[in-house]
Amino acid sequence: AQRVTQPEKLLSVFKGAPVELKCNYSYSGSPELFWYVQYSRQRLQLLLRHISRESIKGFTADLNKGETSFHLKKPFAQEEDSAMYYCALLIRANAGGTSYGKLTFGQGTILTVHP
Amino acid sequence: SQTIHQWPATLVQPVGSPLSLECTVEGTSNPNLYWYRQAAGRGLQLLFYSVGIGQISSEVPQNLSASRPQDRQFILSSKKLLLSDSGFYLCAWNRDNEQFFGPGTRLTVL
Repeated sequence: AQRVTQPEKLLSVFKGAPVELKCNYSYSGSPELFWYVQYSRQRLQLLLRHISRESIKGFTADLNKGETSFHLKKPFAQEEDSAMYYCALLIRANAGGTSYGKLTFGQGTILTVHP
Repeated sequence: SQTIHQWPATLVQPVGSPLSLECTVEGTSNPNLYWYRQAAGRGLQLLFYSVGIGQISSEVPQNLSASRPQDRQFILSSKKLLLSDSGFYLCAWNRDNEQFFGPGTRLTVL
């Protein structure tokens, strides 16, 4: 069965310091991975997906199939980056002839960036 | 544009009471819909998903059930709540493999 592991429940850094939120996955198929973020008093929302290979708000994440990891990185953390971050693995499936995606989430990491 | 609503926003219920949480989506048709629970220390867990009216799949055995009486309506229910049902319940819909989440319902079972 698929699994996503985020080993750090809490992560604290100072403003301007580099930050890395770890994510490891277990899946026998071809993985599609995402990072979702939930800022205080806001809805959970997509931050980035590995397929896009883009940088969002200074964050990047590289899929490493050898290490089965998808760590989220930012070279210089900002206070506004403080939030809950979830790593998620997409499984594609079919039900009644309709395709859909199911997300398996990690446990989440609360990032706090201190001034 | 598409919007997803959930209500109520918060709910406090006694053990053994029934539950009904509602989720509606606007601006799209035939969406894939999902119910998640965010429990303390356990992250986000997929509870149910639906690819169409009356089509419900359960991910984990539990005290809850789901129904989809209309294309854009997804309901989470229980006949008798347990203490362990407390948590934050999120509804979501899917487009291009991105999931869009509702504001959530905070359920406390006492």
